[in-house]
Amino acid sequence: NAGVTQTPKFRILKIGQSMTLQCTQDMNHNYMYWYRQDPGMGLKLIYYSVGAGITDKGEVPNGYNVSRSTTEDFPLRLELAAPSQTSVYFCASSPRQGAGGTEAFFGQGTRLTVV
Amino acid sequence: AQRVTQPEKLLSVFKGAPVELKCNYSYSGSPELFWYVQYSRQRLQLLLRHISRESIKGFTADLNKGETSFHLKKPFAQEEDSAMYYCALSVGNTPLVFGKGTRLSVIA
Repeated sequence: NAGVTQTPKFRILKIGQSMTLQCTQDMNHNYMYWYRQDPGMGLKLIYYSVGAGITDKGEVPNGYNVSRSTTEDFPLRLELAAPSQTSVYFCASSPRQGAGGTEAFFGQGTRLTVV
Repeated sequence: AQRVTQPEKLLSVFKGAPVELKCNYSYSGSPELFWYVQYSRQRLQLLLRHISRESIKGFTADLNKGETSFHLKKPFAQEEDSAMYYCALSVGNTPLVFGKGTRLSVIA
């Protein structure tokens, strides 16, 4: 049971380059999320999706784009990498949000450095 | 907007000592509250949720609506408890909001 899988695990980008962080889940969860984790700042929500074809902005969406063409996949796109995007990125999924104490399942993270 | 506050960035305790990781939230209604843990080189995972009123790995957390708190407690810390702990909140149909996290270091 793979759960939530993120690729790559590590990446170094030059300023201005673009890349896509991949995320896939095999639990048939409707809800998927992208968070970034910065030292001392906790996890901040970048984008989320409540189902295929539906995405919405989180707290820190600037500089990122997402798409959700299938239930399984939720890629995060960085178009023009900036040093401020140096962070650890986590993808997560859950069967539902809110009421009922829903558990979110996380990927192992992608450590991105922009130089 | 909902907010989760974890006032301590780092908490160091000796093995066998009691542990209390503080979490306060700002929301006037009835939130869903969680504690997530991230051990070294592992992914973030759910430790416990208030709705279950369970004890996991000796940890418990009680929701205090009057004080808007959800502190995590364990009577006797173990070395394997050393990790990063995040308090999180969910309201209605919205994604989880996380605090900044507290790093727990248990000293042998």
